[in-house]
Amino acid sequence: AQSVTQLGSHVSVSEGALVLLRCNYSSSVPPYLFWYVQYPNQGLQLLLKYTTGATLVKGINGFEAEFKKSETSFHLTKPSAHMSDAAEYFCAVTRGGQAGTALIFGKGTTLSVSS
Amino acid sequence: DGGITQSPKYLFRKEGQNVTLSCEQNLNHDAMYWYRQDPGQGLRLIYYSQIVNDFQKGDIAEGYSVSREKKESFPLTVTSAQKNPTAFYLCASSRAGGGNEQFFGPGTRLTVL
Repeated sequence: AQSVTQLGSHVSVSEGALVLLRCNYSSSVPPYLFWYVQYPNQGLQLLLKYTTGATLVKGINGFEAEFKKSETSFHLTKPSAHMSDAAEYFCAVTRGGQAGTALIFGKGTTLSVSS
Repeated sequence: DGGITQSPKYLFRKEGQNVTLSCEQNLNHDAMYWYRQDPGQGLRLIYYSQIVNDFQKGDIAEGYSVSREKKESFPLTVTSAQKNPTAFYLCASSRAGGGNEQFFGPGTRLTVL
């Protein structure tokens, strides 16, 4: 069965520092992987996704993620944090099979950025 | 503008009452979903529908019901059988196919008094 584990429920960085949010997945089929961002009391917005092809995926707001099949990981990075990056981030994998496009989400990582 | 609307944004309900959360999309998406979000729990799938007049239970369907009579609409009813309904509810939609992103509405925060 598919599952997603996000390591670290809370990550704190200084403005300008590297952001690294970790995501490991388990999937019985080739995975489709997503990172979403959520600001307080709002819906989720897609940052980036991996389906097939290039394993380094670039998204919005300077974020990128690398799909590593051997490590079953899809970690999210940004070279230089900005105050506006403070939010909750969710990694997700497609359930596959009859469930088709429905997603399984990790429990989320809250990113705090200090000046 | 195309998108997903959820109403109301805040909803208060007395124990024992059923309540219906609205979700409408004008993206012409075939698939629609309902998720429940609780602090520290991520998003959990309640129901999903991949085509009109058809829907399937997700991981936490007990105490909830849905209908999909129109492509644009996927209302969720929280029944009195739901033991702990206070949560943030998110509706989403997508095109068919596993690699397609889900677009999310702004959410409805339900509080049971």
